[in-house]
Amino acid sequence: GAGVSQSPRYKVAKRGQDVALRCDPISGHVSLFWYQQALGQGPEFLTYFQNEAQLDKSGLPSDRFFAERPEGSVSTLKIQRTQQEDSAVYLCASSLGTGDYEQYFGPGTRLTVT
Amino acid sequence: AQRVTQPEKLLSVFKGAPVELKCNYSYSGSPELFWYVQYSRQRLQLLLRHISRESIKGFTADLNKGETSFHLKKPFAQEEDSAMYYCALSAVGDDKIIFGKGTRLHILP
Repeated sequence: GAGVSQSPRYKVAKRGQDVALRCDPISGHVSLFWYQQALGQGPEFLTYFQNEAQLDKSGLPSDRFFAERPEGSVSTLKIQRTQQEDSAVYLCASSLGTGDYEQYFGPGTRLTVT
Repeated sequence: AQRVTQPEKLLSVFKGAPVELKCNYSYSGSPELFWYVQYSRQRLQLLLRHISRESIKGFTADLNKGETSFHLKKPFAQEEDSAMYYCALSAVGDDKIIFGKGTRLHILP
């Protein structure tokens, strides 16, 4: 079946613009995660949903970052007033449940802020 | 604080030679440890996790709590092993994953 999909795959934004990144998890997956991967670094946790509930947003770097998953399926990560330091690959992952379940990653969205 | 350290950014190994990718972690409890791999132009995927004690694609990793290490090993490297490898951990009761910075493994012909 289809894996996790993300759109757009590439996004170029001018500093100060708002962007919205979309994640379509694997159908039926309860948990959804967002990670940020800067160049030369490992992925860093941003936020986590269980169905529509955002259970952990401790990794969001500032209040310019906002994520939602209103119907417990598709999720959107929004970044307001983008800054150059927001340039990174944004990865989405989903898993069947909580606890001992493998996370399946999407291809990522590469955001470049100029 | 939870932390994963991969001391090598790049490791070059000849085909057929043994491979060891180092990983050390910092966590006060009993974490779950993973190795993730990303092949060229592919997405990040789970290679193995310590609780399953499996050998995947010839790779094994043993959790050493005394040394807080989870090194990845393979006795005979193959060219298709060239990839980016990330060591990672998650805390008990916490679903988020904490990744190391990664090691690029380059298998020389």
